[in-house]
Amino acid sequence: QSVLTQPPSVSGAPGQRVTISCTGSRSNIGAGYDVYWYQQLPGTAPKFLIYGNDNRPSGVPDRFSASKSGTSASLAITGLQPEDEADYYCQSYDRSLTGSVFGGGTKLTVL
Amino acid sequence: EVQLVQSGTEVKKPGESLKISCKGSGYSFTNYWIGWVRQMPGKGLEWMGIIYPDDSDTRYSPSFQGQVTFSADKSISSVYLQWTSLKASDTAMYYCARHPHVGEGWFDVWGQGTLVTVSS
Repeated sequence: QSVLTQPPSVSGAPGQRVTISCTGSRSNIGAGYDVYWYQQLPGTAPKFLIYGNDNRPSGVPDRFSASKSGTSASLAITGLQPEDEADYYCQSYDRSLTGSVFGGGTKLTVL
Repeated sequence: EVQLVQSGTEVKKPGESLKISCKGSGYSFTNYWIGWVRQMPGKGLEWMGIIYPDDSDTRYSPSFQGQVTFSADKSISSVYLQWTSLKASDTAMYYCARHPHVGEGWFDVWGQGTLVTVSS
C-alpha cells in the first residue's frame, strides 16, 4: 500500500465542489514537507497541478486549490467540469525513506 | 518549449535486458534532477528514484534499489533507465519527470511515458 493514503474514488455533479484527501504521517506531511498534486487524464502522463495553498503552474485554473494541516492535505475543485474527470495523485517527501512518495490516487467521476 | 521526450514502446521476453531513454530540451538539462516513476497497469504512481544529469548522482527508492540502473549522458541531454534481466512484473508504463533538487520538490515536466511489456 502507498505511504500516502487517498480515497479510491470521489464524484460530483457539474458545478459542484469536491475535495480529495491525502493522509500521511509524521515522517512526511506531518514533518512539514510540501504536498504536490497531479492530474492524470485517461491515457496521458500526469500533469503537475498545484502545491502549497495556491501555487499553480501557469495554465491551471484557480478552480483548483490545495491546503495542508497536520499530517493531511486536501485538493479542492470548485465548479466541477466534465474535463476534470481524471485520476488525482498527491506526492510529498518522506524523511524516513529519504525520497518522494505518492498517494495511491483518487478517481474523480463527474456525474 | 520545455519538454521531456521518451523512447518508444518496448516488448521484451523475461530475462532480456532493456534500456529506455528520456531526452530533455528547452531548458538547462544539467540544472535539474530527473526522476523515474513507474505505473503498473491500472495502478498508481510509484517513485523509483532520481538522477542528476550533470554528475550522474543517483538516489534510488529502496523498492527499486538493485533492480534497475539510472544513467545519464549530459552531452545529449539524456537520461536512461536500464534493466539487466526483465521480469513479467516489470510490465508497466515508465515516466521520466523533471525535479528541481534532491529531496523535497515537485515533478513539473513529464515525459509522455514508455510502455514496457515483458511476456514470454
